[in-house]
Amino acid sequence: AQRVTQPEKLLSVFKGAPVELKCNYSYSGSPELFWYVQYSRQRLQLLLRHISRESIKGFTADLNKGETSFHLKKPFAQEEDSAMYYCALSPTRKGGAGGTSYGKLTFGQGTILTVHP
Amino acid sequence: DGGITQSPKYLFRKEGQNVTLSCEQNLNHDAMYWYRQDPGQGLRLIYYSQIVNDFQKGDIAEGYSVSREKKESFPLTVTSAQKNPTAFYLCASRGTGFGWYGLNEQFFGPGTRLTVL
Repeated sequence: AQRVTQPEKLLSVFKGAPVELKCNYSYSGSPELFWYVQYSRQRLQLLLRHISRESIKGFTADLNKGETSFHLKKPFAQEEDSAMYYCALSPTRKGGAGGTSYGKLTFGQGTILTVHP
Repeated sequence: DGGITQSPKYLFRKEGQNVTLSCEQNLNHDAMYWYRQDPGQGLRLIYYSQIVNDFQKGDIAEGYSVSREKKESFPLTVTSAQKNPTAFYLCASRGTGFGWYGLNEQFFGPGTRLTVL
């Protein structure tokens, strides 16, 4: 069974400081990893996914298969980054979990990021 | 604001009553999901459906039931058997098919907050 762990429930930084939200996973196959974000009074939305290797709002995340991690990083945090962040895992289409599990997300517990002025 | 809608926004239920939460999407997505969000526990999958007239239990299906008679709709019934139903419920949908880059992204509704009195 897959599992996603976000060890920090709360994370506080000051504006302009670097921020790293940790995510570790366990999965026997080759997963797809995502970061979702929920701003205050807004719906949950996708921030970025590992397969696209993109930077969204200054955030990046690298999949480290050796350490089974997918940490989210931003070199200079902004106040508008304050939100709840979820790391999520999905079996791949070629994964051992099979076709019916493709697209099914397993979420971590979430990290509330607060960026102070 | 189209996409995925959930109703009602707030719902109050007396113990022993069944209630049904609505989820509708106009994204022409085949797959739909129901999650429960509790503080400190992240999102947990209740039920999911990859196609009309088919659905699968998620990780915490006990005390819940669903139907998928139409592609656009995936209502969730919280039955009296659910021991701790007070929570925030999120519905999501995902496009399926081949050759689409955003294939594995789930789009979320605004949520329904259910409180048992």
